[in-house]
Amino acid sequence: ETGVTQSPTHLIKTRGQQVTLRCSSQSGHNTVSWYQQALGQGPQFIFQYYREEENGRGNFPPRFSGLQFPNYSSELNVNALELDDSALYLCASSSLGVSSYEQYFGPGTRLTVT
Amino acid sequence: EDQVTQSPEALRLQEGESSSLNCSYTVSGLRGLFWYRQDPGKGPEFLFTLYSAGEEKEKERLKATLTKKESFLHITAPKPEDSATYLCAVEGSSNTGKLIFGQGTTLQVKP
Repeated sequence: ETGVTQSPTHLIKTRGQQVTLRCSSQSGHNTVSWYQQALGQGPQFIFQYYREEENGRGNFPPRFSGLQFPNYSSELNVNALELDDSALYLCASSSLGVSSYEQYFGPGTRLTVT
Repeated sequence: EDQVTQSPEALRLQEGESSSLNCSYTVSGLRGLFWYRQDPGKGPEFLFTLYSAGEEKEKERLKATLTKKESFLHITAPKPEDSATYLCAVEGSSNTGKLIFGQGTTLQVKP
């Protein structure tokens, strides 16, 4: 069974640029969630994708957008980068169902905005 | 609004010194409470899911318990390799699929 993978591992961007982060979900999972984790804080929910549609969004501006592909992999796009966007970006995969379900996280992408 | 508060923020233990981490939560219709372990610079690693008050789960030296207002992660006779940040998260019925995390407890176990 393949776990959640993310790319790239690290990324350095300049303020105002755009970035795309990628995530491959765990085998058998159909849902991908994205989280932002600032240093010393718990992860904060950005949004979730299920069946290629956004299925819930946290308190993040529209310049944070995403996609989910037919193979359940996903992208997170951030436009007009700001210094405060520097963080660890985490992708989590799961299987959406009636009862609560575990979300399994990837290793993350460390984004630094200068 | 769903909220999670973890205490203490940091905990230092000697190897073999048992202790507990606390997770207090406020949620509208608990669907699940989750414990994760996170090593520096890595993604959270799933440990436990608890669904209802009174439930307990164990894994090696870790035991998680749940009441209607809080959860405890008990660590029995910890070893240095248990050093990590432990995160608690809840999923509420009004925010299905969205995990609300606490800020974590950073545990250091000294040999």
